[in-house]
Amino acid sequence: AQTVTQSQPEMSVQEAETVTLSCTYDTSENNYYLFWYKQPPSRQMILVIRQEAYKQQNATENRFSVNFQKAAKSFSLKISDSQLGDTAMYFCAFMKPGAQKLVFGQGTRLTINP
Amino acid sequence: GAVVSQHPSRVICKSGTSVKIECRSLDFQATTMFWYRQFPKQSLMLMATSNEGSKATYEQGVEKDKFLINHASLTLSTLTVTSAHPEDSSFYICSARGQGIAGALTDTQYFGPGTRLTVL
Repeated sequence: AQTVTQSQPEMSVQEAETVTLSCTYDTSENNYYLFWYKQPPSRQMILVIRQEAYKQQNATENRFSVNFQKAAKSFSLKISDSQLGDTAMYFCAFMKPGAQKLVFGQGTRLTINP
Repeated sequence: GAVVSQHPSRVICKSGTSVKIECRSLDFQATTMFWYRQFPKQSLMLMATSNEGSKATYEQGVEKDKFLINHASLTLSTLTVTSAHPEDSSFYICSARGQGIAGALTDTQYFGPGTRLTVL
C-alpha cells in the first residue's frame, strides 16, 4: 500500500521569505500523480500543484514549485515570496492513475508572519 | 472552472434525526465523487467513493447503513447521515474527479467547501 509522509507538523516563516515543505512517499508503482493541496482557515481544500511521475520537469504554478525526486521518492513544495494568504494547512497526496483514491499525508501547518 | 459546491455549509441537528448533505460539480461532469470526514487538526479520511449510477464503495470501518450515499446524476452526489448521534459530529468534505474538460484536470480531485455537522 502507498504511504505519504510529511515530517514537518508545523512551520513558520516571515512574509516574503521562501519556504520549503517536505513530502516523501512509498510506492512500487512507476506511473502516478502527486499533488499539493492547501487548506486555509476557511477549510476549503484548494489544489496548489500537480506532478505526473513520468514527467521529469518539475511542475510550477506562479510562486509555487516542486522538487520532484522520483528515485528518492521525494516531492517537496517551495513557496517563493510568501504571502500572508499562504497561511494554511498543506497536504501532500499520491494517486495511482485509474485508482481514484488519494492517499494523503498528515499535513503541515504553515504560518506566514507579517 | 472545476468548482464544487456543498450544501449546507453548517447544520445542527438533534440526536436521532437524519441529515442530508449535497455535493455538486458546477461546471463539469463528475462520474466519480468522494466523501471524506475530517477531524480537527487531522488529515482527510476517505469514507466512500461514489460512481454515477452505481452503488458507492465504502472504506473499511464506515457503516453503509449509517452513511447513505446516492450519486444519481453526473453533477450531484448526496450523503445522508441517518439517525445521527453526537459522535457523528464532524467536518464532511466532498470532492469530484475531473475528466479533462471544463478546466478540470483528469485524475484530479476538486473539493467542495465542506459541511460542519453538529449533532446535539
